[in-house]
Amino acid sequence: EAQVTQNPRYLITVTGKKLTVTCSQNMNHEYMSWYRQDPGLGLRQIYYSMNVEVTDKGDVPEGYKVSRKEKRNFPLILESPSPNQTSLYFCASSFRRNTEAFFGQGTRLTVV
Amino acid sequence: KQEVTQIPAALSVPEGENLVLNCSFTDSAIYNLQWFRQDPGKGLTSLLLIQSSQREQTSGRLNASLDKSSGRSTLYIAASQPGDSATYLCAARSSNSNSGYALNFGKGTSLLVTP
Repeated sequence: EAQVTQNPRYLITVTGKKLTVTCSQNMNHEYMSWYRQDPGLGLRQIYYSMNVEVTDKGDVPEGYKVSRKEKRNFPLILESPSPNQTSLYFCASSFRRNTEAFFGQGTRLTVV
Repeated sequence: KQEVTQIPAALSVPEGENLVLNCSFTDSAIYNLQWFRQDPGKGLTSLLLIQSSQREQTSGRLNASLDKSSGRSTLYIAASQPGDSATYLCAARSSNSNSGYALNFGKGTSLLVTP
């Protein structure tokens, strides 16, 4: 089944403890991106990747890192999480930058 | 910067009614517009994608239109059912490299279909 898989689905962590949210797609998509969804603010892009080893900042990149070493995987790294990064995170992929986007099931992160 | 607005923010209709959800965007430099459905605590499910050169797309009881020149899209749902209850999001995909070709989302329309 074609899908975007994120893990974990839920995570509660403490301020400053490094964490990684994984994202994997099995559709051979070139373009991948991360969004966060917050009440009243909607979905905002954090980082995106046009292809392997090509990544760039989105609208709200502060406090996040990404890597794209393989085409299928695009992990989101929070080196020192803070409470303002408590949010619902989504990974998305598309074949190209101008084609249909598919989203993962989301990761609900709480930083205390 | 692209601004996407969805009206109404919430809508309650009795089962069987036809309904229209509205989406407007300020920057016509888009590749496409995509409609999603989001159920509480769940991910985004893609409903319809309209490329910027297209005017309309249909899937089952759903029909989406796009008027790029006026910056508007509508999602028409025919014969609504309780299972259609969800939040509907529209997203305009920027064709501007400075924006990272991001999907710019509206804040959604929360739909409740009552039996």
